[in-house]
Amino acid sequence: GAVVSQHPSWVICKSGTSVKIECRSLDFQATTMFWYRQFPKQSLMLMATSNEGSKATYEQGVEKDKFLINHASLTLSTLTVTSAHPEDSSFYICSARPARLPYEQYFGPGTRLTVT
Amino acid sequence: RKEVEQDPGPFNVPEGATVAFNCTYSNSASQSFFWYRQDCRKEPKLLMSVYSSGNEDGRFTAQLNRASQYISLLIRDSKLSDSATYLCVVTPSGNTGKLIFGQGTTLQVKP
Repeated sequence: GAVVSQHPSWVICKSGTSVKIECRSLDFQATTMFWYRQFPKQSLMLMATSNEGSKATYEQGVEKDKFLINHASLTLSTLTVTSAHPEDSSFYICSARPARLPYEQYFGPGTRLTVT
Repeated sequence: RKEVEQDPGPFNVPEGATVAFNCTYSNSASQSFFWYRQDCRKEPKLLMSVYSSGNEDGRFTAQLNRASQYISLLIRDSKLSDSATYLCVVTPSGNTGKLIFGQGTTLQVKP
């Protein structure tokens, strides 16, 4: 089956530092990956759509200079939270859409970020 | 108004009960519809797609009413393992791959 991994699974960092989260499709090529954020007791909110080899498309209200997305290969997308603040503490989840199955989508296990 | 609305619950039911969840969506041009299940601190997992003709998968039945922009999920003979948050999900028109999630409805099945 299609597997998506995320690393790290959880991270604690100090306010003002940057954190990089990796999303990998392990057994398929993904032309598109999506990044979501979920605050406690709230729904998943799409932050951005990441297409391999091109700039990410950010949803309204998401600061592209704060949440840097890089999709340099067909199996890897990274999200960097720059100058993190406590309000950035959240559950970050990626999903990947297989190139050969564009109507399917597979989620990574998520990364729990805590900014102190 | 939220694009996808659900009653957050929680729904507390005994084992063996039948429980129904509802969801409404605001964009009449929405293209595809799903129910996902999310366990605490985990990623969402696809439970089933939803069609106007209705579809059933074991104890789970999903229904879509496009005219009312309403989606339902029925769980029969609830098991303890059904305890989770159920997310109603729609996609906008066009094959963008975007998923729009509802807040989720929490189900707690008790022995």
